[in-house]
Amino acid sequence: AQSVTQLDSQVPVFEEAPVELRCNYSSSVSVYLFWYVQYPNQGLQLLLKYLSGSTLVKGINGFEAEFNKSQTSFHLRKPSVHISDTAEYFCAVSPLRSSYKLIFGSGTRLLVRP
Amino acid sequence: DTGVSQDPRHKITKRGQNVTFRCDPISEHNRLYWYRQTLGQGPEFLTYFQNEAQLEKSRLLSDRFSAERPKGSFSTLEIQRTEQGDSAMYLCASSAPGQRNEQYFGPGTRLTVT
Repeated sequence: AQSVTQLDSQVPVFEEAPVELRCNYSSSVSVYLFWYVQYPNQGLQLLLKYLSGSTLVKGINGFEAEFNKSQTSFHLRKPSVHISDTAEYFCAVSPLRSSYKLIFGSGTRLLVRP
Repeated sequence: DTGVSQDPRHKITKRGQNVTFRCDPISEHNRLYWYRQTLGQGPEFLTYFQNEAQLEKSRLLSDRFSAERPKGSFSTLEIQRTEQGDSAMYLCASSAPGQRNEQYFGPGTRLTVT
């Protein structure tokens, strides 16, 4: 079975400051890793994904994430946030060679203040 | 290119009534997924179709829930004898052949059971 833990339910940060949203996962099989963003009253949008290869993955809107196999982590970072980055961020895993269903964490609300 | 669409966007129903939601995936996407998201939580996998075949169902999908994708295009999710605990956002996602690990989400249907 797989599980995803996002320890921070909310992260407040000032505009133009750096931010890191933490994600840890547990799985007995190899998984793909994802970060999704959800704006109010909208569906989820894929920010970035790790399938294989380089452990540093770059996504849309200036976000990047680093896969750390030994720590089973996939933390999301952005060097300078904007007000428009205020949203809910979800980390997810998908077991390989399966239905490719996504297993999500409980989400982290990023609140960017002016 | 239109994205994944869901109808209705909002549904209010009384306990005990039946409801049906529709999802139209992106054209030519052969995989279709249903997820449920309750307030403050990440989406949870319900079921998935490859073309018209329903290949996996979560234990969350009780006997009151049924999903179909009769022609391998749009899908419906029906909930019979709704309960207050069914109140949630129901999300649909689809993925293309050869890109099984990239799911595109619709805006969701918010169900409120009174």
